[in-house]
Formats: sequence, C-alpha cells, structure tokens
Amino acid sequence: AQSVSQHNHHVILSEAASLELGCNYSYGGTVNLFWYVQYPGQHLQLLLKYFSGDPLVKGIKGFEAEFIKSKFSFNLRKPSVQWSDTAEYFCAASGYSSASKIIFGSGTRLSIRP
Amino acid sequence: NAGVTQTPKFQVLKTGQSMTLQCAQDMNHEYMSWYRQDPGMGLRLIHYSVGAGITDQGEVPNGYNVSRSTTEDFPLRLLSAAPSQTSVYFCASRHTGTSGGLEDTQYFGPGTRLTVL
Repeated sequence: AQSVSQHNHHVILSEAASLELGCNYSYGGTVNLFWYVQYPGQHLQLLLKYFSGDPLVKGIKGFEAEFIKSKFSFNLRKPSVQWSDTAEYFCAASGYSSASKIIFGSGTRLSIRP
Repeated sequence: NAGVTQTPKFQVLKTGQSMTLQCAQDMNHEYMSWYRQDPGMGLRLIHYSVGAGITDQGEVPNGYNVSRSTTEDFPLRLLSAAPSQTSVYFCASRHTGTSGGLEDTQYFGPGTRLTVL
C-alpha cells in the first residue's frame, strides 16, 4: 500500500539552529516527492519537489531536500531556521503517471523559539 | 487567475444533514482532488478526478460523493453528515503533463472548516 511517514510530530528549535525533518515513503514504481508548508491559518504551499535528476533539490526560503532511493527517504533540511519558519510541514508522494494520486504524511509541526 | 476557490469558508451542520462543498479552479487543470485535514493525521485523500467525467476513491471515501461534470468544478457532497466528518476540507488541482506527469505542482484552495454537531 502507498504511504508516507513523518516520524517527527513536533520539533522545537531555537533560531539559527539547523533543521532536518524526516520523510519515508512506500510507493511502488517511480515516485515524485514533495514538501509542502502550511503557515498558521493559511493553506498549503509547495516548498520543493523532486521528479528526477539531481537527488538534492533546492526549494524556496532556503529549504532543500535529498532523495535517497536506497532508504526510501526524502528529508527536508535548512541550515539556519528563523522564527518565521514556524509552521506545519507535510511530505507527499505520487506516482509517475499523470493520473497518479498524491498521498500526504501526517505532518511535522515546527516551533521556533525566538 | 483566481486559482482554486472553495465555498463556504465555514459551515456548521447537524447530524444527518446533507450539504455540498464547492470547489472551482480557473487554471484548466485536469486533476482535482479533495482532502480532509485532521490534527495529527495530516491530509487524507477523499476522492480525486483526472478529468471531466472521471472520478476515483482516495483513502477515506466513505460518506462522501463527488462528480466532475466540467473541468472547472469538483463539488464534494456529504450525504448524511456525522460528527466524525468534522474537519477542514481542502480542494486541490494540478495540471497533468503530457510527458508522463512531470508537471505535478498541486495548488490548494483556502479550505472549508466544517463542524458537525
């Protein structure tokens, strides 16, 4: 069965700390991977996506993610977080087909202490 | 472009009532979907559609119906509302690329907060 797992439910960091949020997926065949962010009271926005090619993907606001096929992982990283990064982060996966549905993980709430 | 729009923003229902959540997009996207968001459970896919006249079930379809008579609209119907359907509902749409699903950026609507008493 297709699934996306995010094991960190709530992460608390101080400003300027480095961030890594875990994401593992189970999806048969070629997979597309995404990270979305939801700021308080807002709807989801795309941070970055991986389709093919370079496994290190750079997104908006200084975020990046690395696709490691052997580990079925797509962890999100940022070298130095800011208070404005406080949000909920969702990892998602879809198959390569244009008709493929997109499955989300349960989300990780990130709280940044000023 | 207005993007993905949803109405209403808020709704309170009594158990057993029916209602339709509206979703529309003006980006000519083939693919549309409905998710519900509950604390600690992320977004769960209810139903999705890859084009007009085509719908399919997601992870949690029970209690919900959808139809896709036009490319623009994808309404979600609650046939007989239950307290377990209290949630925030998001509609989303994306373009399905012609070369194998490469254009997979999904855009989300602002959400509908539904409370069932």
